[in-house]
Amino acid sequence: EAGVTQSPTHLIKTRGQQVTLRCSPISGHTSVYWYQQALGLGLQFLLWYDEGEERNRGNFPPRFSGRQFPNYSSELNVNALELEDSALYLCASSLSGVNYGYTFGSGTRLTVV
Amino acid sequence: AQSVTQPDIHITVSEGASLELRCNYSYGATPYLFWYVQSPGQGLQLLLKYFSGDTLVQGIKGFEAEFKRSQSSFNLRKPSVHWSDAAEYFCAVGEADKLIFGTGTRLQVFP
Repeated sequence: EAGVTQSPTHLIKTRGQQVTLRCSPISGHTSVYWYQQALGLGLQFLLWYDEGEERNRGNFPPRFSGRQFPNYSSELNVNALELEDSALYLCASSLSGVNYGYTFGSGTRLTVV
Repeated sequence: AQSVTQPDIHITVSEGASLELRCNYSYGATPYLFWYVQSPGQGLQLLLKYFSGDTLVQGIKGFEAEFKRSQSSFNLRKPSVHWSDAAEYFCAVGEADKLIFGTGTRLQVFP
């Protein structure tokens, strides 16, 4: 069974640019979660999608957005990149709800210069 | 709001020694509790989880954790650490629709 896959694995962007990160969940999982892991800040909840709908978002500005497609894959978009957006962005999937625990992907390392 | 505290930022142990990583949570009801491990540059792998029932939970890689409601703790243990256990360990509590993570404990293992 394929795990959670994220692409790209690494990318470098310039401040002010826009970036799109992609995530494919485990087959059968309908929930996708996005977390930001910035140096010294731990894992911060970004967004939760389930059945194509945004169910919850963390304390991040609106320039962080995303969507979930009918096949349950998801994109995270970040506009107007700032230096402090440099982080590892982790996607996780689960059956609907946190009760089952998450399965994480390996992440996308974003560097903003 | 729910919160998770991992009081030890960095722990160093010798290979073969026992290990206990501390986790305290703040949650009103019976929590869903998790331990994850993250190797450098990698995502997080679920070690074990507690929902209800037996308070001693067995996980993968020889890890176990004990839920103690009276102490609001969910400490992770391993009787004999291997060099490959060197990683960062995160405790998390489920809050309705998401996981709240602690700040992590980095484990270093000396031969």
